[in-house]
Amino acid sequence: AQSVTQLGSHVSVSEGALVLLRCNYSSSVPPYLFWYVQYPNQGLQLLLKYTSAATLVKGINGFEAEFKKSETSFHLTKPSAHMSDAAEYFCAVTNTGTASKLTFGTGTRLQVTL
Amino acid sequence: GAGVSQSPRYKVAKRGQDVALRCDPISGHVSLFWYQQALGQGPEFLTYFQNEAQLDKSGLPSDRFFAERPEGSVSTLKIQRTQQEDSAVYLCASSLSRVKDGNGYTFGSGTRLTVV
Repeated sequence: AQSVTQLGSHVSVSEGALVLLRCNYSSSVPPYLFWYVQYPNQGLQLLLKYTSAATLVKGINGFEAEFKKSETSFHLTKPSAHMSDAAEYFCAVTNTGTASKLTFGTGTRLQVTL
Repeated sequence: GAGVSQSPRYKVAKRGQDVALRCDPISGHVSLFWYQQALGQGPEFLTYFQNEAQLDKSGLPSDRFFAERPEGSVSTLKIQRTQQEDSAVYLCASSLSRVKDGNGYTFGSGTRLTVV
């Protein structure tokens, strides 16, 4: 079985501050890991993915995440938050043994304040 | 089309009513997925099609839920005798290839179902 845990259902940062959204995974086989963003009343948009290549993955909108096997983590970061980053963020996992089925975390709502 | 299209965007159903949710994937996309997203939760897998074949329906919560993709393109998720616990956003996603790594998913905007 595979799962992800997102620590913190709500995160609030000031505009220009560092964004850190936490994700820990559990998987019995090497995982593929993803971060998705969901804006209100919209579908999910892929931010970035880890598929066993480089452990530091760069995505869209200035986001990046680092795969740390020893910590079973895949935290999402952005050096400087922008108001437009306010959204719901989901971490997800799948593995080579499944037909692309994604298991999502419960999400973290990011609020960006002036 | 340019993206995954889902209809209707919003659906209000009386308890016990049958509903049908439509997903129109990106043209040529082989794989199609349905997910259910309850309020305040992450999406949960319902079912997966590769062309017209339903290869995994392990996430369907009960036999009231049925999905089909008869010609390998448009898919319909049907819920019979709706219950209040069926209230959720139903997301459809499609992918070009028979990928095994979740690569290249495109999600639709979803159908928000409210059962009253």
